[in-house]
Amino acid sequence: ELQLVESGGGLVQPGESLRLSCEASGFTFNTYWMYWVRQAPGKGLVWVSQTSTDDGRTNYADSVKGRFTMSRDNAKNTVYLQMNSLRAEDTGVYYCARDSRDYGAPYGMDVWGRGTTVTVSS
Amino acid sequence: QTVVTQEPSFSVSPGGTVTLTCGLSSGSVSTVHHSSWFQQTPGQAPRSLIHGTTIRSSGVPDRFSGSILGSKAALTITGVQSEDESDYYCLVYFVGGTWVFGGGTKLTVL
Repeated sequence: ELQLVESGGGLVQPGESLRLSCEASGFTFNTYWMYWVRQAPGKGLVWVSQTSTDDGRTNYADSVKGRFTMSRDNAKNTVYLQMNSLRAEDTGVYYCARDSRDYGAPYGMDVWGRGTTVTVSS
Repeated sequence: QTVVTQEPSFSVSPGGTVTLTCGLSSGSVSTVHHSSWFQQTPGQAPRSLIHGTTIRSSGVPDRFSGSILGSKAALTITGVQSEDESDYYCLVYFVGGTWVFGGGTKLTVL
């Protein structure tokens, strides 16, 4: 069964750091681009980052560039999101997602995890 | 940054057909944008409906279809059912490796 399970969310104060993880199962992990997407309470979806199959190419939304780092460990079937200098506006549910096709350029998400909640508040 | 636009809300009767659209604040959506569509109900993770403009995701009924209509990407739902009442989001790819979601359309079935 295709599955993505996020973890690592929690309550932190502004300026602190948090590391999210997403463990994949049920597919050949190292052949798919992976994504992080977030959703603030009551708001829409926002693309955060993506990483290539070999971790060689990573892109970020302007709102997190320089603060967030996405990486992957293909031996552990896991992607990570290191979030530093967190702000109140980073609060929300963070979803991990898989690309819709293996190999080649990114094509958009098709498998999603259930998300992990991050709250940034003093 | 280019804004991706969607209708904020739409209403449709059960059994009817509805077409939701996804445009750009500057320029037209085409197949190079790999537009995708997602369905989300409150408290749930998004569900993929369409990717690559027209490709239906696994398990999605064929009453959901994606296309390009004029300058916009479109999601058409035929034979609308009450369970289709959800928020719908489009996603567009931009050369350079970034993606932008639209603001979402709240679909009401009444």
